[in-house]
Amino acid sequence: DGGITQSPKYLFRKEGQNVTLSCEQNLNHDAMYWYRQDPGQGLRLIYYSQIVNDFQKGDIAEGYSVSREKKESFPLTVTSAQKNPTAFYLCASSKAAGTGELFFGEGSRLTVL
Amino acid sequence: QQQVKQSPQSLIVQKGGIPIINCAYENTAFDYFPWYQQFPGKGPALLIAIRPDVSEKKEGRFTISFNKSAKQFSLHIMDSQPGDSATYFCAALTSGTYKYIFGTGTRLKVLA
Repeated sequence: DGGITQSPKYLFRKEGQNVTLSCEQNLNHDAMYWYRQDPGQGLRLIYYSQIVNDFQKGDIAEGYSVSREKKESFPLTVTSAQKNPTAFYLCASSKAAGTGELFFGEGSRLTVL
Repeated sequence: QQQVKQSPQSLIVQKGGIPIINCAYENTAFDYFPWYQQFPGKGPALLIAIRPDVSEKKEGRFTISFNKSAKQFSLHIMDSQPGDSATYFCAALTSGTYKYIFGTGTRLKVLA
């Protein structure tokens, strides 16, 4: 079945550590996105990528980094510079940027201890 | 101007009731308005979407009503069921751009 796979589902991190969240899609979609979800704040865009080897900052990119070396993969690194990293992180994809339906993964919940 | 304002924040209805969730926007360049359904611990999934050339769209028990002049759109759930209990997000997009603007979500609980 086609879809988006995020891992790990739950992650605990000590302050000062970098962590990387994995996102893989087999939908053959060009565009991929990372969103952060906090209670009562909807979904906020961290980074997006329209094609391989290209990505752009979203609204809340500070303290995060991404790479897009393969069409299928768009990992997100939460760095120690991110002041408040505890959140639910969602990866999504679409056929091309701004073409309609976003397909989401099941999310990764990061907790900083 | 880039915001989508969603209300109410939470909603409780009896089984069989018709919950209505409302969203309002300012940016007239938006031309795609989806609704997403999210169950706890899961990612959102597209429920239904509308473009501004129609005023209403139905898919099963779910209906979007769209008022272009008022810049508002709403989701109606007919004959609601306990399994509809979830968080619902409206969103707006300008075709060709990357930036989906999401509402803050409505937590719906349908009582058995």
